[in-house]
Amino acid sequence: GAVVSQHPSWVICKSGTSVKIECRSLDFQATTMFWYRQFPKQSLMLMATSNEGSKATYEQGVEKDKFLINHASLTLSTLTVTSAHPEDSSFYICSALLAGGPSEQYFGPGTRLTVT
Amino acid sequence: GQQLNQSPQSMFIQEGEDVSMNCTSSSIFNTWLWYKQDPGEGPVLLIALYKAGELTSNGRLTAQFGITRKDSFLNISASIPSDVGIYFCAGHSGGSNYKLTFGKGTLLTVNP
Repeated sequence: GAVVSQHPSWVICKSGTSVKIECRSLDFQATTMFWYRQFPKQSLMLMATSNEGSKATYEQGVEKDKFLINHASLTLSTLTVTSAHPEDSSFYICSALLAGGPSEQYFGPGTRLTVT
Repeated sequence: GQQLNQSPQSMFIQEGEDVSMNCTSSSIFNTWLWYKQDPGEGPVLLIALYKAGELTSNGRLTAQFGITRKDSFLNISASIPSDVGIYFCAGHSGGSNYKLTFGKGTLLTVNP
């Protein structure tokens, strides 16, 4: 149980284009999902908290117009990197909080984004 | 944001040895979580702790929630090569936002 998937697992795009990453909770409902970014050999950095049916809450320093988050259902949140630049290349990981359960976040397998 | 102090940063051990790593925080947490991350993968939840003093095991893994609520440790007994990876502690201070604070990770290498 508590499986989270991400799609795609890796993506290469050109500068200036937009990329959408999907995060799905497969066997549970998640009113809250989180988006993280991870650089090599570093810990996870929280980008934003995504709540179903409402606007996402972004961490300080994260551009909300660049990283668009939509949480339209209890099992799906999407992160769109708009007008991507090489410095946006990173490992993006989502997590989902079990609705009504303890405060345990279950993570997806991550998406490797490379912007050329 | 706030970071937990996780130590050691890395460990090189022989197969069969026991391992211990810990995290400390300057503030109180209501929840401690331990995750393992393999290269190119997302973190996998190993153990969750909810009460001060709680000691919980998951196979060869044992973790404890410190009585001061500002620290936690993870022990791995009789290590095997597949224990290799990065171990992260994470804490949650309560409230409704459920945001986790992560340690910087402990890189474990197990020599067969």
